[in-house]
Amino acid sequence: KAGVTQTPRYLIKTRGQQVTLSCSPISGHRSVSWYQQTPGQGLQFLFEYFSETQRNKGNFPGRFSGRQFSNSRSEMNVSTLELGDSALYLCASGRAGVSYEQYFGPGTRLTVT
Amino acid sequence: AQSVTQLGSHVSVSEGALVLLRCNYSSSVPPYLFWYVQYPNQGLQLLLKYTTGATLVKGINGFEAEFKKSETSFHLTKPSAHMSDAAEYFCAVSGDGNKLVFGAGTILRVKS
Repeated sequence: KAGVTQTPRYLIKTRGQQVTLSCSPISGHRSVSWYQQTPGQGLQFLFEYFSETQRNKGNFPGRFSGRQFSNSRSEMNVSTLELGDSALYLCASGRAGVSYEQYFGPGTRLTVT
Repeated sequence: AQSVTQLGSHVSVSEGALVLLRCNYSSSVPPYLFWYVQYPNQGLQLLLKYTTGATLVKGINGFEAEFKKSETSFHLTKPSAHMSDAAEYFCAVSGDGNKLVFGAGTILRVKS
């Protein structure tokens, strides 16, 4: 079974731009979560989607948003990029009814210059 | 709120020696606990999990962890370290909703 895939793997953007990251979960998984990983703050939860609905949201500004499609694929968007948004963005998928067990993709490395 | 403390940001062991990575958690409800491993430029790989039942949990690559409620601990062990075990390890506890709350991570170095 294929794992979680994320595209693109690497991205360089300029301050003020916006970016969209994509995540395809493991087949049959309906929950998709996003995490931000930085050296200073570690791994922080952004949000979780299940059946196209946002179920949970972390403490990030409104510039960070996401959505989930009917095939469970998910995208996250960051508008008005800041230097501090440079991070590894990780997507994780999980099965319905199997609480908290999440499988991570390889991540998208975003660099904001 | 749930939290995780990983003691030691760096741990160094010799090849063949015991690996012990420490994790203490705080949770107001019965927790689900996880250990993940991250190799350079990769995502997180699930090593093992504790949900309910047996408190000694066996995972992949020879790792195991024991849930000790009285000590609020979930330490990760491996009897004999291998060079390929060098990576960063994260302990996580179930948070509000379906999110995971992670510790700061422990970088394991294996010396030959």
